[in-house]
Amino acid sequence: AQTVTQSQPEMSVQEAETVTLSCTYDTSESNYYLFWYKQPPSRQMILVIRQEAYKQQNATENRFSVNFQKAAKSFSLKISDSQLGDTAMYFCAFMKYQGAQKLVFGQGTRLTINP
Amino acid sequence: EPEVTQTPSHQVTQMGQEVILRCVPISNHLYFYWYRQILGQKVEFLVSFYNNEISEKSEIFDDQFSVERPDGSNFTLKIRSTKLEDSAMYFCASVGGLRGNSPLHFGNGTRLTVT
Repeated sequence: AQTVTQSQPEMSVQEAETVTLSCTYDTSESNYYLFWYKQPPSRQMILVIRQEAYKQQNATENRFSVNFQKAAKSFSLKISDSQLGDTAMYFCAFMKYQGAQKLVFGQGTRLTINP
Repeated sequence: EPEVTQTPSHQVTQMGQEVILRCVPISNHLYFYWYRQILGQKVEFLVSFYNNEISEKSEIFDDQFSVERPDGSNFTLKIRSTKLEDSAMYFCASVGGLRGNSPLHFGNGTRLTVT
């Protein structure tokens, strides 16, 4: 079974700073997808970024980028020029390459951006 | 952009009562899911549904739970006899294909409170 671990329950940075959220996972699969989801106080689940394990290039989406280290089974999220609207819970998630698209989530990191 | 719609946004029920949580997935999507998030905890997979049958379910999804797509548009989750520990946020999700390049679209969730 796959597991996803986020070792930082809470983080706090000043607006405009860069912050990195950590995620590690365990799987025997060779091909899979990894995701970061944002959950603001409204509790909505918003996809932030997605990485395909067979792609060596790290995914980027505007201010969001990942550092994907397949051998180390590490998938960190970097938020550059952080904004107040980035305040949210962030969940790392794993999904097998094929199948019923069951997402396995980590415990989440509560990120607070301070003005 | 089309979205997954969940109703009600908040449901309060007494222990032992039956509840039905409703979801309208995106119209051309074929795969449907329910996830649960107990307050302050991670999001957990409950069940996936395809071609009018359950394709996978977690150990959380016991005999008290059932899902149905009664009319080709709605996708419902029924809890037959609610327990206090069923209090959680329930998220519906849908996807068009089975690959991670077709990401899950989540609804805004239904907050279920069992008293």
